[in-house]
Amino acid sequence: SQQGEEDPQALSIQEGENATMNCSYKTSINNLQWYRQNSGRGLVHLILIRSNEREKHSGRLRVTLDTSKKSSSLLITASRAADTASYFCATDADGNKLVFGAGTILRVKS
Amino acid sequence: GAGVSQSPRYKVAKRGQDVALRCDPISGHVSLFWYQQALGQGPEFLTYFQNEAQLDKSGLPSDRFFAERPEGSVSTLKIQRTQQEDSAVYLCASSFYRGVGEKLFFGSGTQLSVL
Repeated sequence: SQQGEEDPQALSIQEGENATMNCSYKTSINNLQWYRQNSGRGLVHLILIRSNEREKHSGRLRVTLDTSKKSSSLLITASRAADTASYFCATDADGNKLVFGAGTILRVKS
Repeated sequence: GAGVSQSPRYKVAKRGQDVALRCDPISGHVSLFWYQQALGQGPEFLTYFQNEAQLDKSGLPSDRFFAERPEGSVSTLKIQRTQQEDSAVYLCASSFYRGVGEKLFFGSGTQLSVL
C-alpha cells in the first residue's frame, strides 16, 4: 500500500517556469523525503524534511511540510529540461521502511 | 563501491522459471532494502535487512519470493516459479544508518519481464 499521494499525476511546463508538486499522507511521520527518478533509472534523493521543520531549501528546491494537514509540497524554481523526471515523496510512517507515493511526472519543455 | 550496483540490468524469464537478482550495496552500508516498482507506479516495499538480519519481509507478495544477505553485504532476491504478474522493476537501496528515515541510495534496478 502507498502512504503518500502526489498531485498532480503529470505536469508539463516551459523551461524557466516554476513547478509545484504536492504530496499528502495518512499517518504521523518523523520525516518526509522527496526523490527524483529519471526514465529507466533508480531513484535519487533530493531533500529530507523532519516533522518539526516547516520549510527547507536546497538550491532550486524548496520543500514545505504541514503536519496538521498531512501534506508537503516540492517547488522547483526556474525549471530546466534536465528536471524532466518523475518525483516521489516518501514517508517513514510504517516501521522500518520508507513508503512511496505514486509520483508526479514532470515534463519541462525547452 | 561508488554506488549501488544491481545485476542483471534486464532479465527475461519464461513463466515458471526461477530467477535470482543481485544487489551490491555501497560498502559499509548497514541497511539494505528491496522494492518492486510496477510501470507508472511508485516503489513498493518488499523486504529490509540490517546487516545480515532480515528484519522485515512483510512486503514479499508470496512465498515464491525469497531474499538473503548472508554476509551482510551483497543481497540476492530470488523469485521461484515466476508468474506474469511478477513483471516489474526490482530496485535495491542501501543506507549507512541502522534506523529508518535516513536517505536511501538506489541502484538502477533490474527490469524483469515474465513471458
